[in-house]
Amino acid sequence: DAKTTQPPSMDCAEGRAANLPCNHSTISGNEYVYWYRQIHSQGPQYIIHGLKNNETNEMASLIITEDRKSSTLILPHATLRDTAVYYCIVRVANQAGTALIFGKGTTLSVSS
Amino acid sequence: EAGVAQSPRYKIIEKRQSVAFWCNPISGHATLYWYQQILGQGPKLLIQFQNNGVVDDSQLPKDRFSAERLKGVDSTLKIQPAKLEDSAVYLCASSLANHLGYTFGSGTRLTVV
Repeated sequence: DAKTTQPPSMDCAEGRAANLPCNHSTISGNEYVYWYRQIHSQGPQYIIHGLKNNETNEMASLIITEDRKSSTLILPHATLRDTAVYYCIVRVANQAGTALIFGKGTTLSVSS
Repeated sequence: EAGVAQSPRYKIIEKRQSVAFWCNPISGHATLYWYQQILGQGPKLLIQFQNNGVVDDSQLPKDRFSAERLKGVDSTLKIQPAKLEDSAVYLCASSLANHLGYTFGSGTRLTVV
């Protein structure tokens, strides 16, 4: 599976949009981009995933560049409860693919 | 739906002792995973089950760690004997299939002294 690069930390003001970048320049054509987050003392939580088109759900939006070498997770109106470590993972999305492999992620701190 | 249940929540043992962790996945989830998360790092996969069969245990330190998933439902992870470096949070996750979203439990925090 392709590797990802994320900034170690980011800050965001409450109510503002949080834009978390992820570089995955060696991504293969059949690899999806997944985002998970981990709030302190909890297990990771699935946020969103996508292949090439932009995706949106009730938690966030995922913007993938046309060349698929990078992506951005957007939390449109960050709250204090969004303070967490955010993991960007790329992997083949089929039954035979590897399990999720986590890096160090980005620690997002949302402040009032 | 009920989440992934893990117990105990916390465990403190002395080095060279043995310890076991239990996981009850979401009903109907065929795939189950155990991860180890050392403080300040991302979770590291230890073992992946598909029903009651092992799919990947390449990162499991087999000289001291063992895991089983009898009847393809609950799973236990055992460490014997424990070392200081085994201090970590042990997370269990399950999914309907490997390529779908994972649901994680809250983990068991192990401290080896």
